[in-house]
Amino acid sequence: GAGVSQSPSNKVTEKGKDVELRCDPISGHTALYWYRQSLGQGLEFLIYFQGNSAPDKSGLPSDRFSAERTGGSVSTLTIQRTQQEDSAVYLCASSLGLRMPNQPQHFGDGTRLSIL
Amino acid sequence: SQKIEQNSEALNIQEGKTATLTCNYTNYSPAYLQWYRQDPGRGPVFLLLIRENEKEKRKERLKVTFDTTLKQSLFHITASQPADSATYLCALDNAGNMLTFGGGTRLMVKP
Repeated sequence: GAGVSQSPSNKVTEKGKDVELRCDPISGHTALYWYRQSLGQGLEFLIYFQGNSAPDKSGLPSDRFSAERTGGSVSTLTIQRTQQEDSAVYLCASSLGLRMPNQPQHFGDGTRLSIL
Repeated sequence: SQKIEQNSEALNIQEGKTATLTCNYTNYSPAYLQWYRQDPGRGPVFLLLIRENEKEKRKERLKVTFDTTLKQSLFHITASQPADSATYLCALDNAGNMLTFGGGTRLMVKP
């Protein structure tokens, strides 16, 4: 499809394991965002990629969290040594970015991460 | 510090009535504001964008107002339907292309 795609849709893992979450943005979108949403809560910004510029990592909650965006397209969010408080839905969004500012963000349906 | 407030309590209304949701903010001077709809288990979906120099924006049964003096946006759904039941999020620009989201308000429209 033409929308933002995230995988896996659900991930259950044991505390202490590493996890990788994937996001395929809309083709041609230069901006990519990761958010975290805990149950019944709003969206917590994690990281923002714009084209080839250095990402804005100001929202990452700890150094266990990292993200990459290869070739200006697919992005991977990695959480190392997972903790139970990392359990949440991780949402990815993309937009046209600086090519056309003030445009809406298009979201995937998220990865529901559960840490046992 | 910057803060965006949406009523965390669910709004319950009868089908056919107008639903009004509120978004208040402090310590912001946003150039624009966006509203999104989120259904359970899904990502947010963009509905409307309103700029700081616009007082009101309409799209079908939706209307958004933006009062930069009161630091408030109101989101109205007229002739509400059960299918309008969802969580509605407001978001303010926060430098460049970044948005900061409010906590959302859940709307329940009863038939």
